[in-house]
Amino acid sequence: GQNIDQPTEMTATEGAIVQINCTYQTSGFNGLFWYQQHAGEAPTFLSYNVLDGLEEKGRFSSFLSRSKGYSYLLLKELQMKDSASYLCAVRDSNYQLIWGAGTKLIIKP
Amino acid sequence: DTEVTQTPKHLVMGMTNKKSLKCEQHMGHRAMYWYKQKAKKPPELMFVYSYEKLSINESVPSRFSPECPNSSLLNLHLHALQPEDSALYLCASSQDRGGVETQYFGPGTRLLVL
Repeated sequence: GQNIDQPTEMTATEGAIVQINCTYQTSGFNGLFWYQQHAGEAPTFLSYNVLDGLEEKGRFSSFLSRSKGYSYLLLKELQMKDSASYLCAVRDSNYQLIWGAGTKLIIKP
Repeated sequence: DTEVTQTPKHLVMGMTNKKSLKCEQHMGHRAMYWYKQKAKKPPELMFVYSYEKLSINESVPSRFSPECPNSSLLNLHLHALQPEDSALYLCASSQDRGGVETQYFGPGTRLLVL
């Protein structure tokens, strides 16, 4: 079966750094996405990885290791507005997005 | 411009009502999607349209009926819904189904079935 695992909840301090991990087992791989979703709102696209390595976008970076079925999202200089759920999604061999359950990130002052 | 719009933002309907959700994008995207999302759960794919043709129907009950009048519009017709159908309904679009295209989501319609 297809499976994506990420922690249910994480807590971090404003100004700090946090890493959200995602491991996956899917039928085929055509890219991994990270989305941010604030409560009651739609997911917004953060990053896309299809090759191994690190993609950096401002305060956010995403890493992929295809051989390990592993990705992480790194958030630096955390701000209160970063409190949200972070969803990892993998596009499988049929180009369908398989979603993780999301990690709720709580930022404390 | 990466905007997908959805109307209405909120909808309350009875189990005997007929209503429609609307989605629109003007990014020239040729793939459009309907998702259903329950609280604290990830989005669940319902339907995919590619080049205005239904390409995926994820075993969704017939009380949900999608329609793609043209490449910019996607509707979801609702009839005889159940209270368990209450959820956030998200529309998304992407350049195409395959390749490196990212899906962009609309703000969603929050549906309550009484």
